Parts: sequence; structure tokens; C-alpha cells
Amino acid sequence: EDQVTQSPEALRLQEGESSSLNCSYTVSGLRGLFWYRQDPGKGPEFLFTLYSAGEEKEKERLKATLTKKESFLHITAPKPEDSATYLCAVVQGAQKLVFGQGTRLTINP
Amino acid sequence: GAVVSQHPSRVICKSGTSVKIECRSLDFQATTMFWYRQFPKQSLMLMATSNEGSKATYEQGVEKDKFLINHASLTLSTLTVTSAHPEDSSFYICSAKRDTYEQYFGPGTRLTVT
Repeated sequence: EDQVTQSPEALRLQEGESSSLNCSYTVSGLRGLFWYRQDPGKGPEFLFTLYSAGEEKEKERLKATLTKKESFLHITAPKPEDSATYLCAVVQGAQKLVFGQGTRLTINP
Repeated sequence: GAVVSQHPSRVICKSGTSVKIECRSLDFQATTMFWYRQFPKQSLMLMATSNEGSKATYEQGVEKDKFLINHASLTLSTLTVTSAHPEDSSFYICSAKRDTYEQYFGPGTRLTVT
């Protein structure tokens, strides 16, 4: 069964303190791994798509990497506005997405 | 690009009434649209998948007669919650995709049934 597990559930950092979020996945034939950011009371915002092991994508302070079993979202020198829930998902079947439970990230000033 | 809107953003209705939520892809034609439900501090739960001009495919456990989905065009899908009850209160989010796997999400609709 396709499965996505994210850790930690919640993470508190000080402004400027770099860290990484983990997304472990089990899927038959990876067709894409996605990272989204979700702010409270809003829909998820698309961040990255990764397709194959070794691939990396960057956007501002965020960098996503992919191996055959997991993906990391590295956040460098975060700012309070980076506080959000970060969701990881993989494609299941023809086009559905299976989401992890998310990591709630809080950046304290 | 890839902007998806939802309307309304918030709705309060009385038990037994029906509510319609619209989802539009503003700057692209969506081959497929999806409807999700999200409970507080939980991840997204897929309710149904819809393609323009065809019947929606519902996930196991989702009542087709309660959650009516119409996908009339490549840019518009609607979700109607029929005979709403307090347990239907939730955050409903739609998404749309083009010809790749990425889904682009709307801002969500907060439904409260009193």
C-alpha cells in the first residue's frame, strides 16, 4: 500500500536556525513527489515536484532533495514568515495524491 | 500561472439545506479537478475526482448522493452538499491539474452547518 510518513510532526526553530523536514514514502513506481506549504485556513501552495533520486530543487530558503526512499525539505536561515505546515505527497494510481500528515513548522523571531 | 479560485470562502447554513461550492481554474484548462475535505490539524482527505463532462469518481466511504459534483467545463467544477448536517461542517478544498501530475489548490471553503 502506498504510504507517506512525515517527521517531525511539529518543529520549533529560532529565526536563522537551519533544519530539515523528512518525508518517507512507499510507492510502487514513483511518478512524482510533491511538497506543498499550507498556511492556517488556506489551501496548500505548490512548492516543488521531484521525479527521480538525486534530484534537487530550490526556492529562496527552501531546498528539496530526493532519494529512493525519502525526501528532505531543507530550510536555511528561516524567517518567521516561513512558519506553516509543510505537506509531502506522492502520486497514487493514475493521478491521485497521497499526502503525509504534515510538519507544523514554527519560526520564532 | 496555475491559479485556482473557490467561492464562497466561508458559508454558514442551517441543517437540512443544500450548499454549492464553486471551483475555477483561472488561467489554465484543467483536465481533472479534485475535491478534498480537511479536519482541524489533519491532512487532506480526497473525496472525489472529476473530469469534464463525465461522472465523478468518489472515494470509498464518500456518499455520492450527499456530495454532488458537477464538472461542466474545463475551468469549473462544483460541489453541492445536499441536506447538510452539523457533521458536514469542515474545510473543503478543490484542486485542479493540467497534463502533468501537479495539483494546484484553491483557497478552501469553510462550511459551518448550524
